Amino acid sequence: GAVVSQHPSRVICKSGTSVKIECRSLDFQATTMFWYRQFPKQSLMLMATSNEGSKATYEQGVEKDKFLINHASLTLSTLTVTSAHPEDSSFYICSARVGSSYGYTFGSGTRLTVV
Amino acid sequence: AQSVTQPDIHITVSEGASLELRCNYSYGATPYLFWYVQSPGQGLQLLLKYFSGDTLVQGIKGFEAEFKRSQSSFNLRKPSVHWSDAAEYFCAVMTTDSWGKLQFGAGTQVVVTP
Repeated sequence: GAVVSQHPSRVICKSGTSVKIECRSLDFQATTMFWYRQFPKQSLMLMATSNEGSKATYEQGVEKDKFLINHASLTLSTLTVTSAHPEDSSFYICSARVGSSYGYTFGSGTRLTVV
Repeated sequence: AQSVTQPDIHITVSEGASLELRCNYSYGATPYLFWYVQSPGQGLQLLLKYFSGDTLVQGIKGFEAEFKRSQSSFNLRKPSVHWSDAAEYFCAVMTTDSWGKLQFGAGTQVVVTP
C-alpha cells in the first residue's frame, strides 16, 4: 500500500533555530500533501495544504512565514519551522492524498521539542 | 461549515467486551467519513471509510461502522476488543472544497482492562 515516510521522528532544538521535517511518498506520487499539528491529548489541526510545484495554502491563524512548506517534487514535501520557540513544541504529522479516490495515508509523525 | 463531534473523550472497556465509539457530523450533503486509530507517538492508520453505498462498512482489525443519515452518525463498533485495541480513535469528515481536506473530531481514548 501507499506509504509516507516522515523524518525525523523526534527532534530537540534550541529556541531561535530552524528545524526541517521531511515527508516522502515511497511508492506513489503525492500531488497533494497536508500538514497537521497535534498538541498532547488533542486532535489534529490542519496547518496547510501543499500541491506539488505551487505555493502552500495555509489555514487561518497559521503563520506562513514561520512554517515554511515546500513541495518541490511529487515525492517530497518539507515543513520548516523557522525561529522555533517553546510554544512550537508539538507533534507534526503529514498526510498525502493517494490518487483520486480520496484515500489518505499518514506519516508516523515528528515530535518537536524546543528548549 | 462541516464539523464532526466525538462525544466521548475517554472509554474504558474490558478485554473481550464489545466497543462502540460515537461520531456525529454536521454536513449539508453526503459526507465522506473516516475512522482512524493512533497509537501513542505514532501517525494515523485508516480503519475504514464511507463514501456511498452500503451503510455498514467493514474495516480492518475487526472494526465496522454504520452510517445513519437520519441520526447524522457514523459510529464505530467492534464485537470483542483485544488489549492491542487500546489507542486513540479519530472520526473525520472530508470537506467540500477541492482540496479534500480532512476535519477531525476531538478523538476518543480507549483503555482496555484485563
